[in-house]
Amino acid sequence: DIVLTQTQLSSPVTLGQPASISCRSSQSLVHSDGKTYLSWLQQRPGQPPRLLIYEASNRFSGVPDRFSGSGAGTDFTLKISRVEAEDVGIYYCMQATQFPWTFGLGTKVEI
Amino acid sequence: QAQLVQSGAEVKKPGASVKVSCKASGYTLIGYYIHWVRQAPGKGLEWMGRIYPSSGGTDFAQKFQGRVTMTRDTSINTIYMELRRLRSDDTAIYFCARGRPFGLDVWGQGTTVTVSS
Repeated sequence: DIVLTQTQLSSPVTLGQPASISCRSSQSLVHSDGKTYLSWLQQRPGQPPRLLIYEASNRFSGVPDRFSGSGAGTDFTLKISRVEAEDVGIYYCMQATQFPWTFGLGTKVEI
Repeated sequence: QAQLVQSGAEVKKPGASVKVSCKASGYTLIGYYIHWVRQAPGKGLEWMGRIYPSSGGTDFAQKFQGRVTMTRDTSINTIYMELRRLRSDDTAIYFCARGRPFGLDVWGQGTTVTVSS
């Protein structure tokens, strides 16, 4: 199975400041169709996960533009340009390149 | 808009089975996979498997093979996930989610399953 390793933030973030979360895959996430099926999800406390970014860098419908994704191959990053209070939660990367689909362990964002 | 609504919380004894439903609205059920993901208390997300409502075809994570069944009733736009031979470590919130090639774009609200003697 593909293992996704996420970094943890060293400390709470400050409102209005940027935050960056990394996700490293144990194998390349480039699918045979040429696409990279790495997505980022946000889970606010008590809520189901919500899709933020798909195919590593595409913002999903309705997601604020302060969220952006980048990376290729095995290394990926989610960036929040200016953290807002509503961004508190746990962020997961997920790969859909190979079965079984797998998730990172999550990165907690707290203010 | 597309929505998935799941059945209510369940409490089961070890060794029993649980069947969770997931009703789709706002889109054509048969056009998309439905995946099941679970989350143990205070833990991360775990992919269990998926069903293609049009054909009923399924794929499961090896961990759940032989213990999970996913079925559908397209007449009422509902997907079911049954987990058998429950253990205490099956205590979790179970989510259904709509699958796209790139990931999971619509999620149900989650169903809490508690396994306790």
